[in-house]
Amino acid sequence: EAQVTQNPRYLITVTGKKLTVTCSQNMNHEYMSWYRQDPGLGLRQIYYSMNVEVTDKGDVPEGYKVSRKEKRNFPLILESPSPNQTSLYFCASSIRDNSPLHFGNGTRLTVT
Amino acid sequence: GNSVTQMEGPVTLSEEAFLTINCTYTATGYPSLFWYVQYPGEGLQLLLKATKADDKGSNKGFEATYRKETTSFHLEKGSVQVSDSAVYFCALSDNYGQNFVFGPGTRLSVLP
Repeated sequence: EAQVTQNPRYLITVTGKKLTVTCSQNMNHEYMSWYRQDPGLGLRQIYYSMNVEVTDKGDVPEGYKVSRKEKRNFPLILESPSPNQTSLYFCASSIRDNSPLHFGNGTRLTVT
Repeated sequence: GNSVTQMEGPVTLSEEAFLTINCTYTATGYPSLFWYVQYPGEGLQLLLKATKADDKGSNKGFEATYRKETTSFHLEKGSVQVSDSAVYFCALSDNYGQNFVFGPGTRLSVLP
């Protein structure tokens, strides 16, 4: 089954403790991206990647890192999480730029 | 920069009522336009899309027409069902597909 898989689905952590949210797609998509969803703000893009080893900042990249060492994986790294990063995070992929996005089921992160 | 504005709701309708969710956009060039739907606890799913002016996207009884002259992409359905209850997001991607921009989402509740 074609899908985008994120883990974990729920994560509660404390300020400053490094964490990684994993994202994997099995559709051989070139384009992958991360979004955060906050009430009243819709989805805002954090980072995106056009292909392996090619990443770029989205609209809200501060406090986040990504890497794209393999085509299928695009982990989101929070080196030192803060409470304002409490949010619902979505990973998405598409076959190429400007094609519809396929979304994972989301990761709800709480930073205390 | 590019932006999407949509009515935030919530919108509450009775079953079989007519639905319109307004969406307008600001973008340079010729963006592609999308409607995504998010059911509770899930990621976003593509509902329909249009890639050029006057295109009409349609799926599951929903329709939206790309109106360049009014920079709009309003979502309509003639007769809603309880199962249509969800959050609906209008979105655009720029010419290069590097940046998807989402509206804030509109929560729709359909009552039996």
